[in-house]
Amino acid sequence: DGGITQSPKYLFRKEGQNVTLSCEQNLNHDAMYWYRQDPGQGLRLIYYSQIVNDFQKGDIAEGYSVSREKKESFPLTVTSAQKNPTAFYLCASSMDSPNYGYTFGSGTRLTVV
Amino acid sequence: GNSVTQMEGPVTLSEEAFLTINCTYTATGYPSLFWYVQYPGEGLQLLLKATKADDKGSNKGFEATYRKETTSFHLEKGSVQVSDSAVYFCALLYSSASKIIFGSGTRLSIRP
Repeated sequence: DGGITQSPKYLFRKEGQNVTLSCEQNLNHDAMYWYRQDPGQGLRLIYYSQIVNDFQKGDIAEGYSVSREKKESFPLTVTSAQKNPTAFYLCASSMDSPNYGYTFGSGTRLTVV
Repeated sequence: GNSVTQMEGPVTLSEEAFLTINCTYTATGYPSLFWYVQYPGEGLQLLLKATKADDKGSNKGFEATYRKETTSFHLEKGSVQVSDSAVYFCALLYSSASKIIFGSGTRLSIRP
């Protein structure tokens, strides 16, 4: 079945460490997105990519980095520069035009200890 | 700018009650409108959508009608179930945009 897979589901990180969250899709979607969700809050866009080897900053890109070397993959690195990284991270994908909506992964919960 | 405003939660109802979650938008042109649902600990799932004025999206007993005159896309269900307890997000995609804008979400709790 086609879908979008995020791993791991839970991730613990020590302060000062970088960590990379995985996002893979087999839907042949062109565009991919990363969102952050804090408890009781809406979604805030971190980065998005509409095509391989290209990506744009969203509303809260500081302290994060991404790459898009393959159409299927859009990993997110949370760097030590991110001051408050504990959150639920959601990856999504869509066709070239997102007029049909996004398909979301099941999320990664990152906790800094 | 383009934005979505939805009613604040939490909304608590008894089983079989009628549900309305209000959503209004501000956008240039003719946006597409969406409702997403998020169950605890999971990602968002597309519930329904409408792409032009007067369209009605429907799925799993939920409905929403695209009202351009009132810039609204209210979510309704005639008889809610405990399994409908979740967070509901209204969202829009404005013309020629490359990303969807989400509202802040409304938490719905249904009592047996």
